[in-house]
Amino acid sequence: KAGVTQTPRYLIKTRGQQVTLSCSPISGHRSVSWYQQTPGQGLQFLFEYFSETQRNKGNFPGRFSGRQFSNSRSEMNVSTLELGDSALYLCASSLPDSPYGYTFGSGTRLTVV
Amino acid sequence: TQLLEQSPQFLSIQEGENLTVYCNSSSVFSSLQWYRQEPGEGPVLLVTVVTGGEVKKLKRLTFQFGDARKDSSLHITAAQPGDTGLYLCAGRGSTLGRLYFGRGTQLTVWP
Repeated sequence: KAGVTQTPRYLIKTRGQQVTLSCSPISGHRSVSWYQQTPGQGLQFLFEYFSETQRNKGNFPGRFSGRQFSNSRSEMNVSTLELGDSALYLCASSLPDSPYGYTFGSGTRLTVV
Repeated sequence: TQLLEQSPQFLSIQEGENLTVYCNSSSVFSSLQWYRQEPGEGPVLLVTVVTGGEVKKLKRLTFQFGDARKDSSLHITAAQPGDTGLYLCAGRGSTLGRLYFGRGTQLTVWP
C-alpha cells in the first residue's frame, strides 16, 4: 500500500513569505501529526489532527497553522517566514486511536533565505 | 527540557562491535517506540513496546522496556555499516496522547 506522501520534497522561500506543505496519509489512517526537525532541537511536535479536528498542539507561534480535510489529507502553513524556520518538516499518520507508532513521510526540506 | 533523554548522542564504532543506546525519562509511558532515520528521509518505525519489562528482538537488535515503563534500551549485536543512522526513541504518555521524541543517537558503523 502507498506510504505517507509529502509534497513538495524541497522548497526555497524568502523571509517574509508564506508556505503551504501537504501530507497525504496512508489510506485508513485518520490521525496526522506534524513535526519540525532541526539538527539542534531534534523533532519538535507541531500539531496533531484527527477527523478534521486539532487534537494536540505544540509550543510553536501562531504563524504555524494546519488543517485536515475530510479525506484525512492535511496541510500546514507557515506565514511570515523567518530564517529559523529552515528545517525538515515531517508528517506522520497512524491508525485511529492506535497506541502504537507512526508512519512518517520523507519530509519537506524548507530553506528560508 | 526534553522529556526523553537519549545517550550517547553520538556513537562511532567498527563493524562487528556490540553497542547499547539508552532512552531515559522521569515520566511513565503507556508505550515506547524506536525509530531509525537515514539522511533526507523520515524516521522508520523499528519496534513498539508496551509492557513493563518487555523484551523484543528484531534480528541483531534487542529492545527492552524498563519495568517501570520510564526507560528503554536498544542493543545491537555485531553492528554492520548498514546499521548506520539516527536512532530515535519516542514515548506516548497515554493511549491517545502525542508522541514525545528524544533527540536521537547518531550511530556510525565503519567497515
